[in-house]
Amino acid sequence: RKEVEQDPGPFNVPEGATVAFNCTYSNSASQSFFWYRQDCRKEPKLLMSVYSSGNEDGRFTAQLNRASQYISLLIRDSKLSDSATYLCAVTFSGGYQKVTFGTGTKLQVIP
Amino acid sequence: SQTIHQWPATLVQPVGSPLSLECTVEGTSNPNLYWYRQAAGRGLQLLFYSVGIGQISSEVPQNLSASRPQDRQFILSSKKLLLSDSGFYLCAWADRRFYEQYFGPGTRLTVT
Repeated sequence: RKEVEQDPGPFNVPEGATVAFNCTYSNSASQSFFWYRQDCRKEPKLLMSVYSSGNEDGRFTAQLNRASQYISLLIRDSKLSDSATYLCAVTFSGGYQKVTFGTGTKLQVIP
Repeated sequence: SQTIHQWPATLVQPVGSPLSLECTVEGTSNPNLYWYRQAAGRGLQLLFYSVGIGQISSEVPQNLSASRPQDRQFILSSKKLLLSDSGFYLCAWADRRFYEQYFGPGTRLTVT
């Protein structure tokens, strides 16, 4: 089983729709969780950290479910500019802040 | 604020040629530094990380090497490139107190 798994998509959604992605992780000792956004041929950019209590940043909501070992990203009122690949990232216990990235879920918002 | 630079942005090199990619970070001290490779349509593969000057750890055996001659400088090298070395090379930094990593703009390497 992969350490971090994501549905590659693509998720094709109309503008204004709500879309959610999940990311599962295998190590129950995982400590920190993040969502990154990667535009085509660009570097990943940190979108948000995922806290145990869940967190929201505008149209974006991130949740953590430790019991089922997954994190989720919800995007409300999708914009064309949200089209990108969304990578989840998970840290495991270790001395050097190792982060394992998922392979990403591609989102295409359609006019 | 912190910024991270990588160069060159794109590179086309023949098989067997040497490689040197450079990454520098500004606006922070004692960062953890990382080199990743992203092959076309693939995930991020951690190649090397460094917690300090001269301290390099390798994640994947290969014909690449890394060095950290200064606190905020990280270099990825190869003596002889292989076709399989083609990919998008990303440098990242992290404040050693936290886990968030921040990426540079990357170098797109094509080995021909």
